[in-house]
Amino acid sequence: DGGITQSPKYLFRKEGQNVTLSCEQNLNHDAMYWYRQDPGQGLRLIYYSQIVNDFQKGDIAEGYSVSREKKESFPLTVTSAQKNPTAFYLCASAGKQGNQPQHFGDGTRLSIL
Amino acid sequence: AQKVTQAQTEISVVEKEDVTLDCVYETRDTTYYLFWYKQPPSGELVFLIRRNSFDEQNEISGRYSWNFQKSTSSFNFTITASQVVDSAVYFCALSEAYSGYALNFGKGTSLLVTP
Repeated sequence: DGGITQSPKYLFRKEGQNVTLSCEQNLNHDAMYWYRQDPGQGLRLIYYSQIVNDFQKGDIAEGYSVSREKKESFPLTVTSAQKNPTAFYLCASAGKQGNQPQHFGDGTRLSIL
Repeated sequence: AQKVTQAQTEISVVEKEDVTLDCVYETRDTTYYLFWYKQPPSGELVFLIRRNSFDEQNEISGRYSWNFQKSTSSFNFTITASQVVDSAVYFCALSEAYSGYALNFGKGTSLLVTP
């Protein structure tokens, strides 16, 4: 089945550690996005990529990094510079046209040990 | 500044009642897109509808209907004869070309439907 796969479902980070969240899609979508959701909040954009080897910062990019070496993959690294990383992270992808709905993965819950 | 405002944080209704979720947006683009997503307790986001800025026709899909009014920058969502399975958080979102069509979400409305 076509879709977006995020892994792991749950992740724990120690102080000072970098962790990487995986996002893979087999929908042949050009655009991919990372969002962060905090309790009682809407989703906020961290990074997005419209094409391989190119990506742009979203509203809350500080403390995060991404890469887009393959069309199918858009991993997100939560660095030690992100002081409040505990949140629910959602990855999405969409076709190039703006009116296409974004398809979301099931999310990764990141917590601090 | 918040581009999408969902003023209702929580709504509680009894099954079979109709309920309307409000969404007000702000944009300077003439071409933009509006979306509604549902987030059940399991956490995944489920796409419900998209609308482009040039299409103000209202839409009905089963018990769901959407009212898009550019004059008031609103894109409201009505559930008719609500059911317990409708209990979820509902998000309204705006996408614009200048931000790669990334979704700008409202803070969501938590709907609880009780038997």
